[in-house]
Formats: sequence, C-alpha cells, structure tokens
Amino acid sequence: KAGVTQTPRYLIKTRGQQVTLSCSPISGHRSVSWYQQTPGQGLQFLFEYFSETQRNKGNFPGRFSGRQFSNSRSEMNVSTLELGDSALYLCASSLASGTGGRDNEKLFFGSGTQLSVL
Amino acid sequence: AQKITQTQPGMFVQEKEAVTLDCTYDTSDQSYGLFWYKQPSSGEMIFLIYQGSYDEQNATEGRYSLNFQKARKSANLVISASQLGDSAMYFCAMREGLTGRRALTFGSGTRLQVQP
Repeated sequence: KAGVTQTPRYLIKTRGQQVTLSCSPISGHRSVSWYQQTPGQGLQFLFEYFSETQRNKGNFPGRFSGRQFSNSRSEMNVSTLELGDSALYLCASSLASGTGGRDNEKLFFGSGTQLSVL
Repeated sequence: AQKITQTQPGMFVQEKEAVTLDCTYDTSDQSYGLFWYKQPSSGEMIFLIYQGSYDEQNATEGRYSLNFQKARKSANLVISASQLGDSAMYFCAMREGLTGRRALTFGSGTRLQVQP
C-alpha cells in the first residue's frame, strides 16, 4: 500500500507570492491533516479535513487555507507569503472510519514539502 | 503549561542496548491518545506506536514499547536492541478529546544518537 504522498518536495518562493501544496493520503483514509514544522515553534497543527469538510483548525492566520476533494486528496494554500512561513509542511492521513479501534486512530505522515520564502 | 514535555534534548546509546525516551503530558480529558514518531534527517515523520487512554495494556510494535503510566501522566518510549538506523529525532504527541478530532500536540523532541 502506498504511503502518504506530498508534492512538491521542495519549493522556493518570494515574499508576497502564494503557494499550493498537495497531499494524497493512504488509500482508504478519509481524514487529512496538515502541520507546520519550524526550528523555533516546532510542530504545529494547521487544520484537518474529513469528507471534504474542515473539521478542525489550528491557530494560524486566514492566509493559510486548505481543501479536500472527493477522492480525499487535499491541498493547502498560503497566500501573501511571509519570510516566517518558511517551514516543513507535513500532511498526515488517518482511517477515521468511525468504527473505533486502534487502527482508526493512527496518523501516518508524508515526507513533507520544504518551503523556503526569500 | 506545556501539554507535552520531553525533557531530554539529546540521548546517546550504544548499539544493541535498550534506551528509554521520556514523555510527560498534561490533559484534563478522560479520552486521549498518545503517539511516538521518528523523524530522520530526511524529514519524514514515521509512526512508531500508539496508546489510547483506555488501553489497559502497554502498546508494543516490534522493538518499540510504550511504558504508559496514567496516574503519573507519562508515556515513555522504550527501544530495545538499538540499531544504527534508530539515530533520529523522536517526538511524543497527544490527541485530546473525542476520537473524531485528529489534532496532535507535539513535544519538542529528543535527538537519539546510536553509537557503534
């Protein structure tokens, strides 16, 4: 079974631009969540999508947005990029079948997209 | 107060020995989940182990086991028979509340170095 796939792996943008990151979850997984990792702030939750609906959102400005498609693939968008947005963006998927159980709760991450804002 | 505390910024262990990575957590929820992830220099977050707050037995996954002490609010990761490939950052994380929400709070991590 293929893992979580994130594209692109690396991205370089300049301040003021916008960027879109893509995440394909593990087949059969319905929940996709996004995290930002920086040396200063560590790993922080951005948002979670389930069945094309945003179910949970972290404490980030409105410049950060996302969406999920009917095939569970998700995209994350950052508009008006700032230098502080430079980070590793990680996507995670989980089964979230609603039937409970340990496998339902496990989150599996992709390799991330390393975004550099110049 | 920090929700997840990892007090060991760095650890060294000899190859083939066991090592324990510490994690304490803080929550008022009765239902929560605890996770450990490994992050090698490549950046990928690799799932290692999961423990639910209602699980009566400590979780085990191969060479990884989670020493869950609910009353002390600790969830230490034990790696048995360390291998050179175990050198990486290790993160403890917690999911609080209803199982429907999958927001994880992460600790600051422990860098483990396995020496030959």
